[in-house]
Amino acid sequence: DVKVTQSSRYLVKRTGEKVFLECVQDMDHENMFWYRQDPGLGLRLIYFSYDVKMKEKGDIPEGYSVSREKKERFSLILESASTNQTSMYLCASNLKTREQFFGPGTRLTVL
Amino acid sequence: QKEVEQNSGPLSVPEGAIASLNCTYSDRGSQSFFWYRQYSGKSPELIMSIYSNGDKEDGRFTAQLNKASQYVSLLIRDSQPSDSATYLCAVKEARGNTGKLIFGQGTTLQVKP
Repeated sequence: DVKVTQSSRYLVKRTGEKVFLECVQDMDHENMFWYRQDPGLGLRLIYFSYDVKMKEKGDIPEGYSVSREKKERFSLILESASTNQTSMYLCASNLKTREQFFGPGTRLTVL
Repeated sequence: QKEVEQNSGPLSVPEGAIASLNCTYSDRGSQSFFWYRQYSGKSPELIMSIYSNGDKEDGRFTAQLNKASQYVSLLIRDSQPSDSATYLCAVKEARGNTGKLIFGQGTTLQVKP
């Protein structure tokens, strides 16, 4: 079974803090994705990576950066957290153009 | 802008009935289609994938694809209260080989005992 894990289920941070969200997959998938999900707005793609050290912006990259130093690990970084970044963050991965598998999600609250 | 459209619902059906969830997409060249189930507070879970026109059955679930009409649907037979969730339709972008999916907003299904 594909397993995608995320570093935290719940996270509370203060405005201005630097926040790291980590995602690890164990199936040697080339592609990894970071989404945020908000009520009424659906899933929105923040960034994705198709190979180590390779990344592309998604639909809402502003305020975020990413890092992929190893194939199995994809990190999302909030350089200076703001209250409007309070959301559910979902990591996913897939093999080439196949179905995506999601991690359990991190519910981030920025106070 | 490529789009995937779903009726947000809620779609309410009695226990034991057939639930029919529909999805249309704008990218005519799309070849890969997926249905995910998402319980409240949880992450999306893959239910079905479909790549060819016609029906694909898996237990109580049937996915139907009509590429000419740019339409994909999910039927749930003998609906159970445990099927109550939001169902997301996802379509693989036709252009490129990035593995990106375009997701609909989801349809909320309520199965009443």
